[in-house]
Amino acid sequence: AQSVTQLGSHVSVSEGALVLLRCNYSSSVPPYLFWYVQYPNQGLQLLLKYTTGATLVKGINGFEAEFKKSETSFHLTKPSAHMSDAAEYFCAVSGEAGGSYIPTFGRGTSLIVHP
Amino acid sequence: DAGVTQSPTHLIKTRGQQVTLRCSPKSGHDTVSWYQQALGQEPQFIFQYYEEEERQRGNFPDRFSGHQFPNYSSELNVNALLLGDSALYLCASSFGDREGEKLFFGSGTQLSVL
Repeated sequence: AQSVTQLGSHVSVSEGALVLLRCNYSSSVPPYLFWYVQYPNQGLQLLLKYTTGATLVKGINGFEAEFKKSETSFHLTKPSAHMSDAAEYFCAVSGEAGGSYIPTFGRGTSLIVHP
Repeated sequence: DAGVTQSPTHLIKTRGQQVTLRCSPKSGHDTVSWYQQALGQEPQFIFQYYEEEERQRGNFPDRFSGHQFPNYSSELNVNALLLGDSALYLCASSFGDREGEKLFFGSGTQLSVL
């Protein structure tokens, strides 16, 4: 079975500060890991994904995430927060299960950016 | 290039009624997945359609059913609506059911059951 734990339902940062959103996963097979962002009243948009290879993954809007197998983590970071980054962020994991790859989402972290 | 489109954007129904939600996948995509997202929660997987067949199903009752058409568009039907069915219903498309395939989401249909 696969699962994702996002630490902290809310993260508050000042504009220009470092953003760090935490995600730990559990998977019985080599995982595929994703970060999605959801703005109010919208669907989810893919920020980045990890498959295999380089452990540091660069995504859109200046975000990146590092896959650490030893820690089963896939934390999302951005060096400098912008007001437009305020949104809900979901970490997701997928791995083969019954011949399919349905992602399981974490409960989300709301990023609040203060001016 | 049109992305994933869903209709309607908002819907209000009463308990016991039936509802049909529609989804057109992103151009070039052949797989459609449906998710239910309650307020403040993560998306929950309902089912996935590929080649006009339900390929995978999440932990949802039989009141939830779907269909995929030859042009890859899809419908989600919910019968005997309950108050707890109030949620944002998201459609996501992808190309095939391949490992690590990323999902493209529509903006969703907000269903309110009164």
